[in-house]
Amino acid sequence: DGGITQSPKYLFRKEGQNVTLSCEQNLNHDAMYWYRQDPGQGLRLIYYSQIVNDFQKGDIAEGYSVSREKKESFPLTVTSAQKNPTAFYLCASTPPGRTLYGYTFGSGTRLTVV
Amino acid sequence: SQQGEEDPQALSIQEGENATMNCSYKTSINNLQWYRQNSGRGLVHLILIRSNEREKHSGRLRVTLDTSKKSSSLLITASRAADTASYFCATGTSGSRLTFGEGTQLTVNP
Repeated sequence: DGGITQSPKYLFRKEGQNVTLSCEQNLNHDAMYWYRQDPGQGLRLIYYSQIVNDFQKGDIAEGYSVSREKKESFPLTVTSAQKNPTAFYLCASTPPGRTLYGYTFGSGTRLTVV
Repeated sequence: SQQGEEDPQALSIQEGENATMNCSYKTSINNLQWYRQNSGRGLVHLILIRSNEREKHSGRLRVTLDTSKKSSSLLITASRAADTASYFCATGTSGSRLTFGEGTQLTVNP
């Protein structure tokens, strides 16, 4: 079955460490997105990519980095520059035609700073 | 900044009752979408309504859109305990980005 796989489900980071969250899709979707969700709040866009080897900053890109070397993969690195990284991270994708088809989401990664 | 704002923030009803959630937004849109999120999970796309549409149905879901008031509503009829979740509206413009609201937490009591 096609879908988006995020891993790991839970991730713990020490102060000063960089961590990378994985997002893989087998839906042949062009566009991929990373969102951050804090408790009881909506989703805020971190980065998005509409095509391989290209990506754009969202509303809260500071302290994060991404790459898009393959159509299927869009990993997110949370760097030590992100001062408050504890949150729920969601990856999503859309087919060609973009938002008119709705987003498909992964099941999320919960990141906790210890 | 959030484009959509849902109202109410939380809603508690009995099984079998209807649930209505509202969404207001600020700028012109191409489409508006509703998503559901079960606790600790990803979002699931429910329904999309284009800016030139006024009403859309899908099963027990009914969505309305009033572009003059920049608002939308989601009605879930004959609610079930399994409908308990957070519901988010999201607005789409001419680009590929969606902007999400902060959600309505719906609790359906058996």
